[in-house]
Parts: sequence; C-alpha cells; structure tokens
Amino acid sequence: KAGVTQTPRYLIKTRGQQVTLSCSPISGHRSVSWYQQTPGQGLQFLFEYFSETQRNKGNFPGRFSGRQFSNSRSEMNVSTLELGDSALYLCASSRQGAQTEAFFGQGTRLTVV
Amino acid sequence: AQSVTQLGSHVSVSEGALVLLRCNYSSSVPPYLFWYVQYPNQGLQLLLKYTSAATLVKGINGFEAEFKKSETSFHLTKPSAHMSDAAEYFCAVSLSGGSNYKLTFGKGTLLTVNP
Repeated sequence: KAGVTQTPRYLIKTRGQQVTLSCSPISGHRSVSWYQQTPGQGLQFLFEYFSETQRNKGNFPGRFSGRQFSNSRSEMNVSTLELGDSALYLCASSRQGAQTEAFFGQGTRLTVV
Repeated sequence: AQSVTQLGSHVSVSEGALVLLRCNYSSSVPPYLFWYVQYPNQGLQLLLKYTSAATLVKGINGFEAEFKKSETSFHLTKPSAHMSDAAEYFCAVSLSGGSNYKLTFGKGTLLTVNP
C-alpha cells in the first residue's frame, strides 16, 4: 500500500515568488491536512480538506492557500514568499480527519532566499 | 481549544535504560492523544494513539503510553532504550467531536541514546 507522497522534496525559491506543493494521499483517504514545521514555532496546522471542502484553517495569512481535487490529491500554494516561510511542509492523510489515524508524507523542504 | 506541553526539549539516556518522555494536555472535551516519532529529514510516524478505549496503550517498537485523566497526562515509556530510538518525539492532541479536524502538537522532545 503506497504511503503519502509529497512532491517536490526540496525547493529553493526567491523572496516574492510563489510556490505550489503537492500531496497525494493514501488510497481511500479523503482527508488531507497540511502542517508547517520550523525550529522556532514547531508543527503548526495550516488547513484541512475533506472531499474537496476546507473544513478547518489555521492561523496563517491569506498568502497560504490550498485546494483538494476530486481524487483527494491536494495542493497548497504560498504567494509572495517571505524568508520566514522557509520550513518543512508536511502533508497528512486520514480516512475521516485528525481523530482517525493520520499518515504523514516525508515533507517538502522549502528554502526562501 | 486544546494544547500540549512536552516537558523537556531534550532527554538523554543510556542504551538499555528506561525511556520516559512526558506529555500533558489541555482539552475542553475528551481528547484523542497521539505520539509520533520523526527521524532526521523525514515525516512523522505514528507510534501509538489513545482514543478512549484502554488507558494503557501499546505501540510499535516497544513503546507504550498511559492516559491519566486526573493528571491530564499521556507519558511515553519504553523499558529499554535502543540506539535506533534516537529521534524527535511529538505528542499531539485532537478533539473527539465537533469540527476541529486538526492535530495540535507539542514542541517535541529530542531523545539521545548513548552507547
């Protein structure tokens, strides 16, 4: 059974650019969540999607957005990148949401220069 | 609202010694509790979860945790540490109802195992 796949694994972007990260969940999982991990702030919840609907959003500026497609694959977008957006972005999939077992991908390491 | 506090950002043990990683939670409703492990440059792997069944939960790799409602704790233990246990460990909480749909993580505890 394939796990959660995140692409790309590494990204280097310039301040002011935008970036799109992709997440393919485990087959049959309809919930996809995104988290940002930094040394200073730890793991912070960005948003959660279930059947193409955003059900919850964390405390991040509007530059952070996401969407989910009918096949449950999800993308997140960050516009007008800032140096502080450098982080490991983790995607997690589960059947119903955070109350059920969440499986994480290996993450996308974003570096903003 | 929910929150998690992990006591000790860094724990160091000798190989073969007891591992004890502390986690306290705050939740307005009955919580679901999880322990995850993260190896360098990797995602998170679920070690174990508490979802209101047995209070003593056994997980993978010999880890277990006990849910104590009176102490609002969910400490992670392993009787005998192995070198391969060296990693960062995260305690997380999710609410059992409503429209929360997120995990709230503690700051993490880095476990070092000395030979």
